[in-house]
Amino acid sequence: SYELTQPPSLSVSPGQTASITCSGDKLGDNYVCWYHQKPGQSPVMVVFQSNKRPPGIPERFAGSKSGNTATLTISGARASDEGDYFCQAWDSKTGVFGGGTKLTVL
Amino acid sequence: EVRVMESGGGSVQPGRSLRLSCAASGFTFDDYGMHWVRQPPGRGLEWVSSISWESDKKIYADSVRGRFTISRDNAKNSLYLQMNSLRAEDTALYYCAKDVGTGYNFYGLDVWGQGTTVTVSS
Repeated sequence: SYELTQPPSLSVSPGQTASITCSGDKLGDNYVCWYHQKPGQSPVMVVFQSNKRPPGIPERFAGSKSGNTATLTISGARASDEGDYFCQAWDSKTGVFGGGTKLTVL
Repeated sequence: EVRVMESGGGSVQPGRSLRLSCAASGFTFDDYGMHWVRQPPGRGLEWVSSISWESDKKIYADSVRGRFTISRDNAKNSLYLQMNSLRAEDTALYYCAKDVGTGYNFYGLDVWGQGTTVTVSS
């Protein structure tokens, strides 16, 4: 089965850079998306096709991929960036989400 | 405004069936793939199923394959998820989502609904 692995949590101070990783055996062959979910809200896409930002997503959010590891980098982290971040990918037969990373900014 | 809105959730006993619907508006529905994602209480997101713009590609998570069926009616701008043989582990908030790209392939989920809750319990 296709699995994506993320660190469960990450804590940074305001203004610092947060880097969230996502690893998976097939990730090198597939695009990755990233989503941000705040408590009680629906997820919001922040990166698609590994490094593209949807309209309205600040440039502070940047996606990259090297081999089987994708990284979401949040520059100048703010309190409003807190919440859960999920990576997601497809292969030809299935889709999968990573387990999520809880980002704390304090 | 681009929107998707789920309906059809509820409480059912194990082994029973439920059909979820998703009404889309504000975009050309038949240009985009569509998706179902669920989130069990207090847990992370789980991809359930995706369908291409013309219904010629349908893929399912192993946990629901053979029990759930995704479909769409482009004339009605609607997406569906028929859920049969429901189990307690299917209990979750079910989201409908639009793909960010057009055509046959899938690229990402850029518009999400608020979700509809499914509870499977005896």
